[in-house]
Amino acid sequence: GQQVMQIPQYQHVQEGEDFTTYCNSSTTLSNIQWYKQRPGGHPVFLIQLVKSGEVKKQKRLTFQFGEAKKNSSLHITATQTTDVGTYFCAASSNTGKLIFGQGTTLQVKP
Amino acid sequence: KAGVTQTPRYLIKTRGQQVTLSCSPISGHRSVSWYQQTPGQGLQFLFEYFSETQRNKGNFPGRFSGRQFSNSRSEMNVSTLELGDSALYLCASSLRPYEQYFGPGTRLTVT
Repeated sequence: GQQVMQIPQYQHVQEGEDFTTYCNSSTTLSNIQWYKQRPGGHPVFLIQLVKSGEVKKQKRLTFQFGEAKKNSSLHITATQTTDVGTYFCAASSNTGKLIFGQGTTLQVKP
Repeated sequence: KAGVTQTPRYLIKTRGQQVTLSCSPISGHRSVSWYQQTPGQGLQFLFEYFSETQRNKGNFPGRFSGRQFSNSRSEMNVSTLELGDSALYLCASSLRPYEQYFGPGTRLTVT
């Protein structure tokens, strides 16, 4: 079945450093979504990307969708301790199911 | 608007028992999806309901079932519980396709 691979699994950064997580698929994706889950919390929708090469920004977060619509990335500039959590990408399968990546857990050292 | 609510928040059951979890979506959201989250397997899609009909189903055994009522509230049931069913069960509602709003989850522990 369709799979979405997400790397890295874990990332430890010093506060103020940048962070990037990547999401890859072997098949073309119709769209991709990003979610954030704080420790002990539930996933919270961040954004959806639909167009090839699309780039969207939310304050210090930059989301990109690859030209071939097979990969995506989330980049955080100058991380803060409030950025701690697990970031998931998710893509809809050809049957309409949402397939989640394994997530990247971000730890930020103050 | 109130968010997605799930009850109960925590549950402890023994092997062989059955359990029913409840989810109330955001008002106006007609699609409700269920997910199982475990440290090893991550977020796994269970099923999706829309207007009382199951629209999609994940790769889980028949012990996992669900339903949706006319007011969009949804329940999921797990029969003959196994130790491996211990997980966080998340419900999500949506208005637009694929943009999911998750509830706080039900933490199920099977002993």
